[in-house]
Amino acid sequence: GNSVTQMEGPVTLSEEAFLTINCTYTATGYPSLFWYVQYPGEGLQLLLKATKADDKGSNKGFEATYRKETTSFHLEKGSVQVSDSAVYFCALLSTGNQFYFGTGTSLTVIP
Amino acid sequence: ETGVTQTPRHLVMGMTNKKSLKCEQHLGHNAMYWYKQSAKKPLELMFVYNFKEQTENNSVPSRFSPECPNSSHLFLHLHTLQPEDSALYLCASANLAGVTDTQYFGPGTRLTVL
Repeated sequence: GNSVTQMEGPVTLSEEAFLTINCTYTATGYPSLFWYVQYPGEGLQLLLKATKADDKGSNKGFEATYRKETTSFHLEKGSVQVSDSAVYFCALLSTGNQFYFGTGTSLTVIP
Repeated sequence: ETGVTQTPRHLVMGMTNKKSLKCEQHLGHNAMYWYKQSAKKPLELMFVYNFKEQTENNSVPSRFSPECPNSSHLFLHLHTLQPEDSALYLCASANLAGVTDTQYFGPGTRLTVL
């Protein structure tokens, strides 16, 4: 079946630290992969996506590479800011057109 | 992307009330979704409509009743809810016809059942 597993939170970092949030997936075929971000009191917003193996999605300094060999799509940012504090969700769109979400990872960046 | 709107943003209701949540998308998408987001729980998919036809109902109690009159509007009718139904209800839409399908979410309705 299809599923998404992402690292447990919460994650607390100092400003300008390096961020990695791990995400691995199980899927049949070739899914599309996404990272969404949810700021307090808001809905989910698409952060970045990748549709095929070795694609790199990037946005606002965040990056994630679609690794088929390790079935991973880890989110990284070289220098986090206080404004990056939010909950991050990894997701996949299966070849059957169904979306699957991870449980979310809460990130807090302290000045 | 701010093409999905939800009203109301906040709703407080008693267990005997009847209310409705509304979602509207202005993106020309053909699929719409209702999710429930509770504290410390994964996002729960409730209903999916594809071209106005309900294609998924994930064992949701009958006190939640969806309605999709057209491809731009989605409602969630609520009646005789329980306190454990208090949560953030998120609507999303997608265009399930292209290669780069993406879900776009509304801001959610924060529901409190007393």
